[in-house]
Amino acid sequence: AQSVTQLGSHVSVSEGALVLLRCNYSSSVPPYLFWYVQYPNQGLQLLLKYTSAATLVKGINGFEAEFKKSETSFHLTKPSAHMSDAAEYFCAVTDTGGFKTIFGAGTRLFVKA
Amino acid sequence: GAVVSQHPSRVICKSGTSVKIECRSLDFQATTMFWYRQFPKQSLMLMATSNEGSKATYEQGVEKDKFLINHASLTLSTLTVTSAHPEDSSFYICSARPPSGSSYEQYFGPGTRLTVT
Repeated sequence: AQSVTQLGSHVSVSEGALVLLRCNYSSSVPPYLFWYVQYPNQGLQLLLKYTSAATLVKGINGFEAEFKKSETSFHLTKPSAHMSDAAEYFCAVTDTGGFKTIFGAGTRLFVKA
Repeated sequence: GAVVSQHPSRVICKSGTSVKIECRSLDFQATTMFWYRQFPKQSLMLMATSNEGSKATYEQGVEKDKFLINHASLTLSTLTVTSAHPEDSSFYICSARPPSGSSYEQYFGPGTRLTVT
């Protein structure tokens, strides 16, 4: 069975600081991995995805994530946080059959001025 | 890009009544749509997978007679909460998946906030 673990339900950074949101997955088959962002009372917006091509994936808004098979990790980073990055972030995994996507519990990012 | 809409965005209904939520893919055809439920400060819980022209597949623990899903066309899926109760109050989000492509990407609607009084 697949699962996703996001370490840290809350992360707080200063504006301009590095953002690091952690995600570890469990999958018996090569996974497809996603990061989504959710602003209050809105749906989810895709930040980036890993689909077995390049292990370093660049997404929108300056975010990127690196797939590390040996560590079963897919951590999300951004070199310099902006106030507008404050939101809830979800890591998700889909099996290659694509039948179901499992979401992590989410990490709320706070950005301090 | 791919756009998914939901209607209504907010709805308040009385206990015992039924509420229908629509999910539309506006610029692509979606053979598969998903319905999620999200409780405050929690993650998304998949309720059911809806395939056009066939019966929805419900996740374990989701009452199919209470949460009726109809995927009547390639651009529309509906979720009807029947005989709603206050515990059904939640944020319901749909997503749609285009039929082509290998990335299994989903496009999410903006969500519907249901409050049952």
